[in-house]
Amino acid sequence: QSALTQPASVSGSPGQSITISCTGTSSDVGGYNYVSWYQQHPGKAPKLMIYEVSNRPSGVSNRFSGSKSGNTASLTISGLQAEDEADYYCSSYTSSSTLWVFGGGTKLTVL
Amino acid sequence: QLQLQESGPGLVKPSETLSLTCTVSGGSISSSSYYWGWIRQPPGKGLEWIGSIYYSGSTYYNPSLKSRVTISVDTSKNQFSLKLSSVTAADTAVYYCARVPRCYVWGSYCAISVDYWGQGTLVTVSS
Repeated sequence: QSALTQPASVSGSPGQSITISCTGTSSDVGGYNYVSWYQQHPGKAPKLMIYEVSNRPSGVSNRFSGSKSGNTASLTISGLQAEDEADYYCSSYTSSSTLWVFGGGTKLTVL
Repeated sequence: QLQLQESGPGLVKPSETLSLTCTVSGGSISSSSYYWGWIRQPPGKGLEWIGSIYYSGSTYYNPSLKSRVTISVDTSKNQFSLKLSSVTAADTAVYYCARVPRCYVWGSYCAISVDYWGQGTLVTVSS
């Protein structure tokens, strides 16, 4: 069982927007602004898409945005494109002795 | 450009110890700004945080693996390593090494993200 809870799958049509949620606790998502999101295509290493809740690394499309409310963080992808079809993972700093935790991952299907 | 490269056996027998090394190039492992971590992904499953190390040697481990995991660092070689003992088929996974930017909040050191990843190496546990 993952420390952070994500939906197993979401889907959307090209051009639409989708949102993936990530629920944790006050020891991780809710307590700190160190939530990040990763995109993983099959057979590839994960790629950082969002860090510190809502910041995009250089080179990441502005169609990707992040937010947080209480113990739940969200990743929104607008203007869906076929290339966005991938697995998405949230993660967070945790004040436990572990330091870092991941969500279980969400498979995004572009219809 | 920072690069991380995992190396080690791709096949390990049950009950033996899995050993992997991550070589960092394009940056110093001795930087005070980063932790260095290991993450794994069983086939068809999600990412699992294994643990991390700071260049001084301080470590953080996933409690579910803590009794079997050792992460160490060799600053002279710009490398850090993972040892996982008493492996079973459940430890079959792609193992990634990664860089984790460090922060400081409310009197404690913390982590910001996993910003650089190695390409990953598949380790199969089988006799």
